[in-house]
Amino acid sequence: SQQGEEDPQALSIQEGENATMNCSYKTSINNLQWYRQNSGRGLVHLILIRSNEREKHSGRLRVTLDTSKKSSSLLITASRAADTASYFCATVEVNTGFQKLVFGTGTRLLVSP
Amino acid sequence: GAGVSQSPSNKVTEKGKDVELRCDPISGHTALYWYRQRLGQGLEFLIYFQGNSAPDKSGLPSDRFSAERTGESVSTLTIQRTQQEDSAVYLCASSLTGGTLNSPLHFGNGTRLTVT
Repeated sequence: SQQGEEDPQALSIQEGENATMNCSYKTSINNLQWYRQNSGRGLVHLILIRSNEREKHSGRLRVTLDTSKKSSSLLITASRAADTASYFCATVEVNTGFQKLVFGTGTRLLVSP
Repeated sequence: GAGVSQSPSNKVTEKGKDVELRCDPISGHTALYWYRQRLGQGLEFLIYFQGNSAPDKSGLPSDRFSAERTGESVSTLTIQRTQQEDSAVYLCASSLTGGTLNSPLHFGNGTRLTVT
């Protein structure tokens, strides 16, 4: 099952612009994580935000979490061509027998030079 | 140190044949996951191993799919009597702990399976 849904499905911007991706989820969570996937490769963890946190920064990345709206956003500032990839949010479902990490459908980001 | 290693990186098989995919997690990681990713799609959870506990098999799509893990080391995902709809990239990931999963997943580069 897909817990998270990213929006937009695809995003095309110019180098230097900011990119914002959104993720909505359905159930209560322990934490929310963002991953990046380059074409044909495995996923790389970017940032984890816990359910009691509202905002977190890591370099050019800024993540927000609104548990009342069950949504999160990932902002990449001053984008570079090398940021071109697919970005996925993932959540840990609470109160299940096994706390598995469930991924969203992803946003494909294209940054043009 | 070494990351998660998956083999083979590519596998082409004929419909009806069995395939076995291998995952070597990062040493010391107690949690291991298998996911399936169809072309242009998100990740579909298949199975989760946590230490010596019984695995969570709730994502396996049919009884043709099975997986095993020896202790906290190697895992194999077996697909019997492959079908064309099994064509996908199969991704393995491990993490230091399971539980609340405050430790991130480390992914291998996947096995691209093509069933002809």
